[in-house]
Amino acid sequence: DTGVSQNPRHKITKRGQNVTFRCDPISEHNRLYWYRQTLGQGPEFLTYFQNEAQLEKSRLLSDRFSAERPKGSFSTLEIQRTEQGDSAMYLCASSTRDRSEKLFFGSGTQLSVL
Amino acid sequence: SQQGEEDPQALSIQEGENATMNCSYKTSINNLQWYRQNSGRGLVHLILIRSNEREKHSGRLRVTLDTSKKSSSLLITASRAADTASYFCATDEGGRGGSEKLVFGKGTKLTVNP
Repeated sequence: DTGVSQNPRHKITKRGQNVTFRCDPISEHNRLYWYRQTLGQGPEFLTYFQNEAQLEKSRLLSDRFSAERPKGSFSTLEIQRTEQGDSAMYLCASSTRDRSEKLFFGSGTQLSVL
Repeated sequence: SQQGEEDPQALSIQEGENATMNCSYKTSINNLQWYRQNSGRGLVHLILIRSNEREKHSGRLRVTLDTSKKSSSLLITASRAADTASYFCATDEGGRGGSEKLVFGKGTKLTVNP
């Protein structure tokens, strides 16, 4: 169990640029989640995959956001035409089918949009 | 939207004292979880209590759940400086199984002074 890995740890970008984050879940976990967290708040759900299927998306996930999990292993989250309001910590989590209630989180990607 | 709301927002205690944090939520649930987050890091699962349970223990942690009041409490006994972190409650949305969508509160920031 090597844990959930997220890259990069930090990303600074200019408004209007596109950014992509990667998440590598724990290898035997078939469920993968993306959350967003701003300062002083709890994580907010963005989207969820079971294997390669994206099963649920939050209304928070605007058309500028897209997530993929092409082979049911790692996942990417892309934000197009970034805005200052996108600045946040983007957290990835994974879980197994049998223990789906317990989420294992990565350390997150901190995005700063200038 | 955030279902769970923790109280207090911040708590400062001396090492060795007990820390109690409360969480209120709005809708019916299947289970409630508590997570811990060190500054700038991902969340770590602490304990899960199901809707048909009233109390659960894990080491120095004690969680209670009152579904009639839609509230839960987390007690950390004999606190240590290393317990300094933010603590979040998280709930599912009742009708569904698993944690396809966990809803987090805003958290309690605990500081344990040596």
